[in-house]
Parts: sequence; C-alpha cells; structure tokens
Amino acid sequence: TQLLEQSPQFLSIQEGENLTVYCNSSSVFSSLQWYRQEPGEGPVLLVTVVTGGEVKKLKRLTFQFGDARKDSSLHITAAQPGDTGLYLCASRGPNFGNEKLTFGTGTRLTIIP
Amino acid sequence: NAGVTQTPKFRILKIGQSMTLQCAQDMNHNYMYWYRQDPGMGLKLIYYSVGAGITDKGEVPNGYNVSRSTTEDFPLRLELAAPSQTSVYFCASSSNSGTGGQETQYFGPGTRLLVL
Repeated sequence: TQLLEQSPQFLSIQEGENLTVYCNSSSVFSSLQWYRQEPGEGPVLLVTVVTGGEVKKLKRLTFQFGDARKDSSLHITAAQPGDTGLYLCASRGPNFGNEKLTFGTGTRLTIIP
Repeated sequence: NAGVTQTPKFRILKIGQSMTLQCAQDMNHNYMYWYRQDPGMGLKLIYYSVGAGITDKGEVPNGYNVSRSTTEDFPLRLELAAPSQTSVYFCASSSNSGTGGQETQYFGPGTRLLVL
C-alpha cells in the first residue's frame, strides 16, 4: 500500500504570514491531488498535478509537484482566516488502479486573525 | 444538481445494532466510494464501485457491506456495530477514470456515527 506522509501534522500561524506544507511518498505518483476540508464538511478538490516539476497557482496558493513525482508541496502566501482547514493530499500510483485514491493523514491549518 | 447526498447526518448506535448509511449522487457518475475518517486522520477507503452491480473492497472493509443496484445509489451497511466503527463516514463519486488520473472526487457532507 502506498503511504502518503504529510507534514507538519498541525500548523497554527498568524494572519498574513506565509507557510508551506508537504506531501511525501517512497513511491512514484501517477498524479497527485490536494483537497481542503472545512469542519463538518467533506473534502473539496483544490488542484491536480500530473507532470513532474509542474507548478500550479490558485490565487494565493502555489502547488508544486516534485521532479521525481514522489513529493508535492503547497505554499500559501499571506494566509487568511478563510484558509483554515484540513489539507489533504491524495494520489493514484502505479501500484494500484486509477480508480482509487490514497489519502495522506493531512495537515490541520489554523490561521489566527 | 444536489451533488452527493448522505443520510443520516448523525446517528448513535448501540453495540450489535445494524444500520444502513445512504448515499446518492445525481451527476451520473459511474464511480462511487465510501471512506471513513477517524479524528485527526485522513480518509481510509472502505469499499468502492466502478458501476452498477460491481463493488470491490478498499483498505478497511471488515464489518461493512455495500451494494450498487443503480448508478445513483451506493448504500453502506453495518451489520453488527462495534465501538471501533465510531467515525465520520464520507461517500464520494467521480466520473470514469482513465484520463490520466485527473478525475475529481466529489464528496458528500458526511455521516457522524457513534457506537456505544
């Protein structure tokens, strides 16, 4: 089973600061997705990255896929209270079918106003 | 479109009781999934289905059963509830895979289950 490790597990920072969270695996991803989950709700897709070295931007969020497709990062610039939530990475890999996602344990982010 | 709907939102069960968690989607998605999320953890796949009449086990299937008689519905059955099944259960759906792994999974709002 492919394991996805996310770090840090918890992060609490002041509004306006920058932050980076990470998603790592010992196996190669065929693709990787980032989801955000707010309290009491299901996860919602933020982005999908497919190509090694790919960088995607979504307003203040920058997503990067590692060259070897074994890791990814999410960078938030000038964090706002609305960014608070659980950030989950999820992947499909060469060792399991494309129909299934494996989720990481998540980074719980709290932005303090 | 309502997307993915789940009922009930919250339920308390006694040990040994049974129940069915309902999930429905109106997006004509072939793929449907059941996950559980324990406190502070990510999602673990219980069962999934790639189409009506087809189901398969995920990472943690023990103690659960599913059926998929229609494209729209994918109920999850707990036969003998145990405290270890206390969790939040999410249903999700997606369109057919096969496009480079870029399909979005759409999640329902979850069912919170407490087994005492």
